[in-house]
Amino acid sequence: AQSVTQPDIHITVSEGASLELRCNYSYGATPYLFWYVQSPGQGLQLLLKYFSGDTLVQGIKGFEAEFKRSQSSFNLRKPSVHWSDAAEYFCAVGGGFGNEKLTFGTGTRLTIIP
Amino acid sequence: GAGVSQTPSNKVTEKGKYVELRCDPISGHTALYWYRQSLGQGPEFLIYFQGTGAADDSGLPNDRFFAVRPEGSVSTLKIQRTERGDSAVYLCASSPRRVPTDTQYFGPGTRLTVL
Repeated sequence: AQSVTQPDIHITVSEGASLELRCNYSYGATPYLFWYVQSPGQGLQLLLKYFSGDTLVQGIKGFEAEFKRSQSSFNLRKPSVHWSDAAEYFCAVGGGFGNEKLTFGTGTRLTIIP
Repeated sequence: GAGVSQTPSNKVTEKGKYVELRCDPISGHTALYWYRQSLGQGPEFLIYFQGTGAADDSGLPNDRFFAVRPEGSVSTLKIQRTERGDSAVYLCASSPRRVPTDTQYFGPGTRLTVL
């Protein structure tokens, strides 16, 4: 069975500082990995995804993530956060063909301080 | 273009009642997914459809939950004999095809409260 662990429930970062959100996954085969963002009153929005190729993937809003198979990790990064990045971030893993459902982590709430 | 829409946005019901939650996917999307998000948790998979048929319903918690997609577009999630533990946000997502690399686009959700 696939699973995702997001070890940090809540992170506070100063505006302009760098950010890294951690994600560890468990899946027996090649995983399909996703990061979604959920702002208050908004639906889940895809930031980026990885399924093959270059292990460093670029997403929207200046986010990037790096897939590390040896560590079963897919951490999300941003070099300089903006106040508008305050939201809940979810890492998710999908299976292969025939198993397209997503398994989400419990999320990391990001607070930005001036 | 229009995204995934869900109605109602909020539903309050009493324990034991029947509810229906509706999802309108993005036009042309063949795959449709239902998830449930409890407070402080990530979304949990319930069921997904390819066209009219349920491809995987392994996430439905019990036989009080049922979903249909009769014409391969709109889907309805039906909950019988609601219980307080069913209170959650029910999310619908659609993707162009049922392949793992296609993005799942989520709707805003229906917040269900069972009193």
